[in-house]
This record gives sequence, structure tokens and C-alpha cells, in this order.
Amino acid sequence: DAGVTQSPTHLIKTRGQQVTLRCSPKSGHDTVSWYQQALGQGPQFIFQYYEEEERQRGNFPDRFSGHQFPNYSSELNVNALLLGDSALYLCASSLVGTGNVFFGSGTRLTVV
Amino acid sequence: TQLLEQSPQFLSIQEGENLTVYCNSSSVFSSLQWYRQEPGEGPVLLVTVVTGGEVKKLKRLTFQFGDARKDSSLHITAAQPGDTGLYLCASRSGNTPLVFGKGTRLSVIA
Repeated sequence: DAGVTQSPTHLIKTRGQQVTLRCSPKSGHDTVSWYQQALGQGPQFIFQYYEEEERQRGNFPDRFSGHQFPNYSSELNVNALLLGDSALYLCASSLVGTGNVFFGSGTRLTVV
Repeated sequence: TQLLEQSPQFLSIQEGENLTVYCNSSSVFSSLQWYRQEPGEGPVLLVTVVTGGEVKKLKRLTFQFGDARKDSSLHITAAQPGDTGLYLCASRSGNTPLVFGKGTRLSVIA
């Protein structure tokens, strides 16, 4: 049983570019959440998707957008990248109504 | 939004020593989770505590939830190099997303 998988593992982008990160949830899970973890910080909630809709959103600008597909996988898109967007982006999956959340290994994004 | 404060921020100890790390909030937790995150990996859930005064043990790790459910501690007995990592506490209320503290970075030196 595969856990949460994320791709790519590492990515380097230039300021102003756009990036798409991908996540496949753990088998049987229907809810995907995205977190940003800056160096030396705890993860910060970006948004959560359930039934292909954004259900909750953290304090992130509209440059951050996402999508969930019918197979429950999800994408995180960031437009007009800033140096401050450099971070580890974590995807977490869960089954609605349950408390256990499983995290992927993350995508390390570096903006230069 | 509930803010979680973790202390200490950094901890470096010798193998075999004991240690305690803390997670505090000015608000009452509905439940609290502890995670360990190793370099290059995502956080892995260690335990969930729900009831005030609750104590849970996981091998050499002992988790305690304060009676008022506003604080929690993680005690590690006889630390080993494999315990090295970032220890995060996180809380949620109902269906809200997890809110994390900044973590305690533990280094156990052989």
C-alpha cells in the first residue's frame, strides 16, 4: 500500500515563473491538504481539497491555487514566484471524518 | 487561530541522556498530536492525546497532556542517535486544519 507520494522531489525555479507540484494520496483517502514549511519553521496550512473543491484555505495569496482530480490526486500551482516561496511543500492526505493525517516526503522548491 | 509555542527550539544531547520538550498554548486544545520529522521527509505521527491528564507511552517516549489541555510534553528516556529529528506538536479543532508549532530540533550525539 503506497503512502502519500509527491513529485517532483526537488525543483529550482526563477523569480516570476510558475510551478506545479503533484500529490497522490494514500490509498483509500479522499481529502488532500497542502502545507508550506519554510526553513526552521513548522508546516503552515495552505488549503484543503475534498470532492474536487477547495474546502478550507489558510493565509496565502491568490498566487497559490490548487486542484483535485476525480481520482483524489491533487496539484498545487504557484504563479509569479517570489524568493520567499522557497520552502518544502508538503501534501497530506486523510479520510474525511477521521483524525489521522499522513504526509508525503514533500517537494523542495528553490526560487532563485 | 490557536498558536502553539514549542520549547526549547534546539536541543543537543549525548546518547543515553533524558530530555523533555514542551508544547504550550493560551487556548484549550481539543486534541493534540506529536510528530517527528526527519531531514528530507514529511512529518510522521507519533501520538494523539485527547483527554486532560492523559499519559501515553511509545517505547522510550512518554507523552503527557496537561490537566487543563493547554500544554503537553514529550519525554524521551535514554536518547539514541535515531531519535534525532524535528519534533512538532499540532492541534486541530473539529474539522479545522492542523496548526503546527515551530518544532524542537533534537540532535543526539553518539
